[in-house]
Amino acid sequence: EVQLVESGGGLVKPGGSLRLSCAASGFTFSNAWMSWVRQAPGKGLEWVGRIKSKTDGGTTDYAAPVKGRFTISRDDSKNTLYLQMNSLKTEDTAVYYCLATTVVAGGLIDYWGQGTLVTVSS
Amino acid sequence: NFMLTQPHSVSESPGKTVTISCTRSSGSIASNYVQWYQQRPGSAPTTVIYEDNQRPSGVPDRFSGSIDSSSNSASLTISGLKTEDEADYYCQSYDSSNPWVFGGGTKLTVL
Repeated sequence: EVQLVESGGGLVKPGGSLRLSCAASGFTFSNAWMSWVRQAPGKGLEWVGRIKSKTDGGTTDYAAPVKGRFTISRDDSKNTLYLQMNSLKTEDTAVYYCLATTVVAGGLIDYWGQGTLVTVSS
Repeated sequence: NFMLTQPHSVSESPGKTVTISCTRSSGSIASNYVQWYQQRPGSAPTTVIYEDNQRPSGVPDRFSGSIDSSSNSASLTISGLKTEDEADYYCQSYDSSNPWVFGGGTKLTVL
């Protein structure tokens, strides 16, 4: 069974930093493309960014609102995904979800974590 | 950049069938797969349809997905509605310049 468990959320002041982690199990982590998606209170889903598998280059892509402030990385030896968030703004307040896109029965399926809440407030 | 447009809300009675649309603003809907996610109140999203019309293991066959090139849209159809289907539903797709694009979400009420 695929499991994605996020941690590291909490309250941080504007301009501060936070690092989220996502511990993965139940699938071959090193082969998966991993993403972060966020949801502000009462709003829809917003893609934050992704990192490809190392065999596919290990490159990262980011949404415009977070580019230059957020960094996604992975440690395949620990089956863990990270989101380093710097220069946080109040509009970054959201639940952050970790996603794994992996091949199952010949198709690509997205699996979601349960999310971790980040609150940016003074 | 393209957008995916969904109705804000739909409602239907238990046992009936409902269809939620997702219209792509530019580029062909058939060029890139569409996914559908269900988010029940207070819970994380889960995938109910991937690659236009495929169901993950454990998703009931009451859920089906399709695309219509003539209207440049994708649809999620839920038949035999149950109260447990009440949730927000989001479509998602991509292209070479936009790795992930979400629709705005549709609130399904089963009354």
